[in-house]
Amino acid sequence: DADVTQTPRNRITKTGKRIMLECSQTKGHDRMYWYRQDPGLGLRLIYYSFDVKDINKGEISDGYSVSRQAQAKFSLSLESAIPNQTALYFCATSDSGQGVYNEQFFGPGTRLTVL
Amino acid sequence: KNEVEQSPQNLTAQEGEFITINCSYSVGISALHWLQQHPGGGIVSLFMLSSGKKKHGRLIATINIQEKHSSLHITASHPRDSAVYICAVRIGAQKLVFGQGTRLTINP
Repeated sequence: DADVTQTPRNRITKTGKRIMLECSQTKGHDRMYWYRQDPGLGLRLIYYSFDVKDINKGEISDGYSVSRQAQAKFSLSLESAIPNQTALYFCATSDSGQGVYNEQFFGPGTRLTVL
Repeated sequence: KNEVEQSPQNLTAQEGEFITINCSYSVGISALHWLQQHPGGGIVSLFMLSSGKKKHGRLIATINIQEKHSSLHITASHPRDSAVYICAVRIGAQKLVFGQGTRLTINP
């Protein structure tokens, strides 16, 4: 089984709808991240969480919110989806241990299309 | 100007060729990552390095901190190496800044 899972894998929705993307991990990592990827652009950080009580905005958080329900779960919500939020969304996790290189492990991605 | 620039953006080569993908960055970093994104979209980490050189199979990554430059080399390239290769630099404790990726196609 995959260590980092995302649901759904594909979603088509309409402008104005509320959408939730979910991420679960079995790696036991403290840190979780949400990124979006657009064609021709690098991945950009939306939100990140260093533990259940710690939520931080990334570089492109407008229009998004997150919830860290448990150490293993980190959800991304689009309160009112708009077409320019059409993108590939990735969840990632990393350890927080001292001396660890903090490699990030990525989920398989969610392809979201907003019509 | 992006903090991380990769070149080339696209690269097509014949099976067996030696491949080099370059990454330049403009900020101080604590580490640099090379990632591979498969045609299906999944992303896996290939290397993390903060100095020198690392090798894994046919893949070699080097970094020159003074010149703010890293290269990813693939020896004896194979069609299964076709993917997007992404350079990312780690700034501070956890922030990663990603390059736009290099799309590599290896023809049989």
